Amino acid sequence: DTAVSQTPKYLVTQMGNDKSIKCEQNLGHDTMYWYKQDSKKFLKIMFSYNNKELIINETVPNRFSPKSPDKAHLNLHINSLELGDSAVYFCASSQAPRDPYEQYFGPGTRLTVT
Amino acid sequence: ELKVEQNPLFLSMQEGKNYTIYCNYSTTSDRLYWYRQDPGKSLESLFVLLSNGAVKQEGRLMASLDTKARLSTLHITAAVHDLSATYFCAVDIYSGGSNYKLTFGKGTLLTVNP
Repeated sequence: DTAVSQTPKYLVTQMGNDKSIKCEQNLGHDTMYWYKQDSKKFLKIMFSYNNKELIINETVPNRFSPKSPDKAHLNLHINSLELGDSAVYFCASSQAPRDPYEQYFGPGTRLTVT
Repeated sequence: ELKVEQNPLFLSMQEGKNYTIYCNYSTTSDRLYWYRQDPGKSLESLFVLLSNGAVKQEGRLMASLDTKARLSTLHITAAVHDLSATYFCAVDIYSGGSNYKLTFGKGTLLTVNP
C-alpha cells in the first residue's frame, strides 16, 4: 500500500496554462506539506496544512494555491504557469506539525513547462 | 534566516573506503534528519537525531549530532555501490505558533566506484 501518493507523476504543459497536482496519504497523519525541488535538487518547503488548516505559507507566488479538502488530501493548483515553475513537486506528511519523527514523502510530480 | 550547509556537495569514493559528510546549520535546533534520494525517486528517511550527542547507526551508515557545534555528520564505513545516492540533511526550526518546518541542505551526491 502506498503511504503518500501523488498524481500525476509527470506533467508537461505550456506557459500560461493552469494545472493541478493531487496528493493523498493513508497514514492517518494530521499534517501535509508541499515541497519544490529545483533542477539543482534544492528542496524548499512551500506550504503546510494541519487538519485542513494552512500553517506554513512560504514566499510563494500567489499563482500557487493549495487546497486541503480533508486531512488525507492536499492538492496544489498552479495558475498561469511559467517556465520557472518547472521542477519536481513533492508532497509529504507527518503525524503532527511538531512531529519528532520523519516526514514521509510522496513519489514526486515532475512538472515541465514549455 | 537559517542556513544549512552540507559538504562536500559531490563525493566520489571507492568501494571499501570510509568517508564523512558534514552538515552545519546556523541557528539553534535539536532536531536533525538525514534523507536519501535515489535518482528520479522520492526521499527516504534514514535517521532522526533528537538531542545533543545522539548517534544512530544503520548498516554502513552512522549519523551523529552535536547541537552545541550545530554540526551533524553522516559517516560511511566500507562503502558499497548500493550507497550511491544523494544524501540530504534537514534541520527542524520553529516557524511560529506551535509549528516547525524543515530546512534542507543542498544535498551530497555520493558516487561509489568499484
